[in-house]
Amino acid sequence: GENVEQHPSTLSVQEGDSAVIKCTYSDSASNYFPWYKQELGKGPQLIIDIRSNVGEKKDQRIAVTLNKTAKHFSLHITETQPEDSAVYFCAASRGAGKSTFGDGTTLTVKP
Amino acid sequence: DAGVIQSPRHEVTEMGQEVTLRCKPISGHDYLFWYRQTMMRGLELLIYFNNNVPIDDSGMPEDRFSAKMPNASFSTLKIQPSEPRDSAVYFCASSLVRTEQYFGPGTRLTVT
Repeated sequence: GENVEQHPSTLSVQEGDSAVIKCTYSDSASNYFPWYKQELGKGPQLIIDIRSNVGEKKDQRIAVTLNKTAKHFSLHITETQPEDSAVYFCAASRGAGKSTFGDGTTLTVKP
Repeated sequence: DAGVIQSPRHEVTEMGQEVTLRCKPISGHDYLFWYRQTMMRGLELLIYFNNNVPIDDSGMPEDRFSAKMPNASFSTLKIQPSEPRDSAVYFCASSLVRTEQYFGPGTRLTVT
């Protein structure tokens, strides 16, 4: 089955700096890669996603890149703010139903 | 839409008791997922349904766990008998095919 590895497990940055979280996957048939943000006491929520026919996608301060050959994808957050502090999960899916999640990255943005 | 609805939000029970967690998915979604989240094991997929049919229950830890989806708008996850190691936050999520999953607020289960 699919295996998703996520790094780092914790990340601390100064407000205004950039944050990068990286994930690798094992199943070459995976074609959908969402990123979720989980705030304390809440369920994960989608922040951005990318499909395998696209190499990069951007939404304001958030961007995701995908390298299908190397089977890795990354989340980039620029100009970080304290409200970006949360746990971030990457996931990989063949597009029908089940996603395999990474172990999560706890991001702390220090004011 | 109100999003995915889970009840109860918090459940405290004694070891050996039966626990039933409930989920109402987003209307029109044809996939429903049950997850368990703990500090030690992270986010684990327990079981998922497609059009009310269980597709993969390989994540269900033991026979003490069971899940049903009698119709498109309701699902339950039952633990009988409960044990302290079942203490976790249980999430329900729903989705359409080829789209993101929408998670509920979770049920925090404490088994004493």
